[in-house]
Amino acid sequence: DIQMTQSPSSLSASVGDRVTITCQASQDISNYLNWYQQKPGKAPKLLIYDASNLETGVPSRFSGSGSGTDFTFTISSLQPEDIATYYCQQYDNLPPTFGQGTKVEIK
Amino acid sequence: EVQLVESGGGLVQPGRSLRLSCAASGFTFDDYAMHWVRQAPGKGLEWVSGISWNSGSIGYADSVKGRFTISRDNAKNSLYLQMNSLRAEDTALYYCAKDSGQQLVLLPDYWGQGTLVTVSS
Repeated sequence: DIQMTQSPSSLSASVGDRVTITCQASQDISNYLNWYQQKPGKAPKLLIYDASNLETGVPSRFSGSGSGTDFTFTISSLQPEDIATYYCQQYDNLPPTFGQGTKVEIK
Repeated sequence: EVQLVESGGGLVQPGRSLRLSCAASGFTFDDYAMHWVRQAPGKGLEWVSGISWNSGSIGYADSVKGRFTISRDNAKNSLYLQMNSLRAEDTALYYCAKDSGQQLVLLPDYWGQGTLVTVSS
C-alpha cells in the first residue's frame, strides 16, 4: 500500500494568515492526489482533485500543488470557517490511502 | 443535489453480522462507482471497499477482505455492505461515498453523513 505522510498533524494560525500543509507519498503517484476538508461532526468534503484542481464552488483561497511524491495544500488567507481537519488522499493505486490529517485551529 | 443516506448501523457483539445500506439520489446512480470509507472514533479516514458501476470491479481493504462484501442494486439506487465476523476494531462511522467515474477511479467526490457501527460485548 502507498503510505501518505502529512505534516504538521496540527497547527494554530491567526485569521488572515497563510497556512500550508504538506503531504508526501511513499512512491510516485503522479498527480493522483485529493484534498478533503472535514469539519467537526461532518462528512469530508472534496476541495481539490488531481493535486491542483479546485472543486466547483470551493473558495479560491484554497489551492494545491505538487506531483510525484511531494504535495502542498495552501489556504492563502485563513478564515474562521476554515477550522477543520484536512486530509490528503492518493488514488493512483488500490487501496486508496489517506494521510493522517492536519487539524487547523484559530490562534 | 447529490444525497447519500446511510443506515443499518448499531451495536453488535463481536463475531456477529451487520448489513449497511446507502440510499442514493440526485444523480444517475448506475453511472458511477461507489465506496465505503470508515472513520474510527477520533481517528482518520480508512477506505473499506469500492464497486464499479456494473459491479464488474470490486476492491477491499486487506483489513476486511474475506469478512465484508460490497454490493449494489442499480434498480433501487442502493449500495450495501455486508459485514460478517465483526471485530472491535471495526467500530467506526461508516461513510458511503460516490466516485467521480464509472470504474474505480478511487476519487470519492460526495459523501453521506455516515452510520455508526459499534462492536462490543
